[in-house]
Amino acid sequence: KQEVTQIPAALSVPEGENLVLNCSFTDSAIYNLQWFRQDPGKGLTSLLLIQSSQREQTSGRLNASLDKSSGRSTLYIAASQPGDSATYLCAVRFMDSSYKLIFGSGTRLLVRP
Amino acid sequence: NAGVTQTPKFQVLKTGQSMTLQCAQDMNHEYMSWYRQDPGMGLRLIHYSVGAGITDQGEVPNGYNVSRSTTEDFPLRLLSAAPSQTSVYFCASSSWGDGNYEQYFGPGTRLTVT
Repeated sequence: KQEVTQIPAALSVPEGENLVLNCSFTDSAIYNLQWFRQDPGKGLTSLLLIQSSQREQTSGRLNASLDKSSGRSTLYIAASQPGDSATYLCAVRFMDSSYKLIFGSGTRLLVRP
Repeated sequence: NAGVTQTPKFQVLKTGQSMTLQCAQDMNHEYMSWYRQDPGMGLRLIHYSVGAGITDQGEVPNGYNVSRSTTEDFPLRLLSAAPSQTSVYFCASSSWGDGNYEQYFGPGTRLTVT
């Protein structure tokens, strides 16, 4: 069964810390992996999309890496700010079910001032 | 570009009532889909479409109908609402066939069935 797992489920850090969110998936045959941010009561905002042929993507203070062979991706947030507080979701488009994204359960991040 | 829009934002239904959740996108995306998000269950695919006139079922299609008469619109119909359909519904769209597949989501519709 294709699954996506995110660890930890929740994380609380002081402002200014660099942090890493983890995502693992069960099948290395993927099209791409996408990281989203969700604020309470809101929709999903796409942060980064990594195609299967790529190793990493960067946007501002965010850097996402992909290691297909080990079935892992990490989202690195540099110099965290209170405004980064949200739930971060990892989603994978597997090759044999390309019509859908399979989501992890998310990491709820709190950045304390 | 407005991106992906959904209406209404909130809705309360009584058991047995029917309604349509609206979704529209202005990015000329071929692929559109509906997900529901429930605590402890994450996001699950209800129905999807890869172009006008083409729809297919996702993981949890029972109790829902869709149609795709235009590229822009993909409404989700609840035929006879049940309390188990209380959820937050998200519409999403992406390009299709070009290998990109970056998915864009709407703001969601929060539905309560009493």
